Amino acid sequence: GQNIDQPTEMTATEGAIVQINCTYQTSGFNGLFWYQQHAGEAPTFLSYNVLDGLEEKGRFSSFLSRSKGYSYLLLKELQMKDSASYLCAVRPYSGSQGNLIFGKGTKLSVKP
Amino acid sequence: DTEVTQTPKHLVMGMTNKKSLKCEQHMGHRAMYWYKQKAKKPPELMFVYSYEKLSINESVPSRFSPECPNSSLLNLHLHALQPEDSALYLCASSQEWNPNNEQFFGPGTRLTVL
Repeated sequence: GQNIDQPTEMTATEGAIVQINCTYQTSGFNGLFWYQQHAGEAPTFLSYNVLDGLEEKGRFSSFLSRSKGYSYLLLKELQMKDSASYLCAVRPYSGSQGNLIFGKGTKLSVKP
Repeated sequence: DTEVTQTPKHLVMGMTNKKSLKCEQHMGHRAMYWYKQKAKKPPELMFVYSYEKLSINESVPSRFSPECPNSSLLNLHLHALQPEDSALYLCASSQEWNPNNEQFFGPGTRLTVL
């Protein structure tokens, strides 16, 4: 089976740094995606990792360790507009080539 | 043009109605997807089209009928829906049906079935 775990909710303060973790057990692995989704809106692509290590894109960074089945999304200099759900999604091999299995999402609330 | 567009934005329909959701992209992507998302849940894959051919149907009831008239358009025809089908329907596309390609999502159609 496929299983992707991430915390349900997190709270952080404006200007701070927050790390959202994601662990996965899937039948195969061919990339991990992070998406941001504001309430009532479609997901927006944030990052993609297929090799181990850190990918940095402005205030957002994503890390992957394939041996540990683990990723995190790091958000720096938090802004109020970063309040959203963050979805971790994995592309496994078998039976779903090219498709994504989503985690349940982490709802991040940024407080002043 | 780097957008996936969807129409309508909102749709309210009765259980006996027939309606269609439309999705369009002009990025030259050859894979297009339909997802269903209930409130506070992650998106669930429904269908995948690759080069205008249906490649995956994730055991979706026949009251949902996808159609890909050409490489830029993807429709979802709805007939005899149930109230539990009320959800956000998301369309996405990627360059190829390939593990290394990111998927771009449209804004979604919020469907309410009365």
